[in-house]
This record gives sequence, C-alpha cells and structure tokens, in this order.
Amino acid sequence: AQSVTQLDSQVPVFEEAPVELRCNYSSSVSVYLFWYVQYPNQGLQLLLKYLSGSTLVKGINGFEAEFNKSQTSFHLRKPSVHISDTAEYFCAVSDLAGSARQLTFGSGTQLTVLP
Amino acid sequence: DTGVSQNPRHKITKRGQNVTFRCDPISEHNRLYWYRQTLGQGPEFLTYFQNEAQLEKSRLLSDRFSAERPKGSFSTLEIQRTEQGDSAMYLCASSLSAASYEQYFGPGTRLTVT
Repeated sequence: AQSVTQLDSQVPVFEEAPVELRCNYSSSVSVYLFWYVQYPNQGLQLLLKYLSGSTLVKGINGFEAEFNKSQTSFHLRKPSVHISDTAEYFCAVSDLAGSARQLTFGSGTQLTVLP
Repeated sequence: DTGVSQNPRHKITKRGQNVTFRCDPISEHNRLYWYRQTLGQGPEFLTYFQNEAQLEKSRLLSDRFSAERPKGSFSTLEIQRTEQGDSAMYLCASSLSAASYEQYFGPGTRLTVT
C-alpha cells in the first residue's frame, strides 16, 4: 500500500514570489509520481509526472518538481507565481506492481497567491 | 477530443433515495476510474473498468455502491439508500489503455444528501 503526505494544507504567497509545495510518499514498491491542480468547481488537471529518467521534471504553467528517492519526496516548485496559480494542488502516486494503475492522493495544498 | 464529461454536475437528494451519476470518457480511452473526494481531502479510488469489465470493486465503500460500464463506453455509478455521509464530489477519470499511467479527470458530480 502507498500513502502520500502533503505537509502544508495552505500556502499563501505574494505574486511573483517563488513557491515550493511539499510532498512525501511511502510505498513498499516502486511508484510513479504526479502533481495535479484543481481549480474551483473543476476536475483535476495533470501538471507533471515522473515516470523515469531525469529526476527534475518540468510541467505546464512553469511548474517543475524534483524526485528524491532517498528522501521519498516529490516537491513542486515555481520560481515566480501569478494570481492565476491560486488553486488546490494534489500530489499522487501510482504503484508499478499492480495492474490497476489507480492513483493514491495526498490531502492537497491550497495555494493562494496574493497581490 | 472533448474531454471527460460527467452528469449531473450537482445533485441534491434526500436521505434514503437512490442516485445515479453518469461519466462519458474520452472516446478512445478503454480504462475508466471512479474516485470520491470529500471536503478537505484528496480523491479516493473506488473502482475501475477495462472496457466493460469491472476489474476492482473491493474499494467501493459499501454494498450500496455499484458501478457499470455497459458496452465499454459510458459508465454509471449508483448509490442506493443514500446517507448524509455520502455527500461528496464523485470524480470520473479515463486513460488510454492498461499501459497508460496518465489519467484525465472529468469535472465531477457534487452530491449533497439532506
């Protein structure tokens, strides 16, 4: 079984400042890692994913994340945020052992960008 | 590609009533997933289909929950004898195939049980 911990439930940040949203996971098998964003009253949109290869992954809207296997972390970063980045962000894992490919999500981090 | 659609977007029902939600996946996707999201939490996996076959249903929350995907196209999720604790957002996602890890989510159906 896997679990995902998002260490901050809310992150306020001023516009144009950098931001890091933290994610740690626990799993007895290898996993793939994902970050999704959810805007109010909308479904989840994939920001980026780590499947293999370079541990630094770039996604949409200027976001990137770094996979750290030894620390079992997959933190999301953006060097300069915009008001439009205000949303809920979810970290998720999918284990490689099973065939279901279902996602296990963290509880989410609400990012609020302040003017 | 019109994306994953879900209907209705909102449903208010009285305790004890049955409700049914519909999900239309992206047309060429043969995998379909259902998740439930309660307030302040991330989505929780419920069940999934490969074409018309339901391959995992042990995570459905109780025997009041059932899902179908006739003909491997759209899917329905039914909750019988609804309870207030069933109030949540029900999300559907689809993916291209069994080999694909990328899931595309619909906008969800928000259920309120009064």
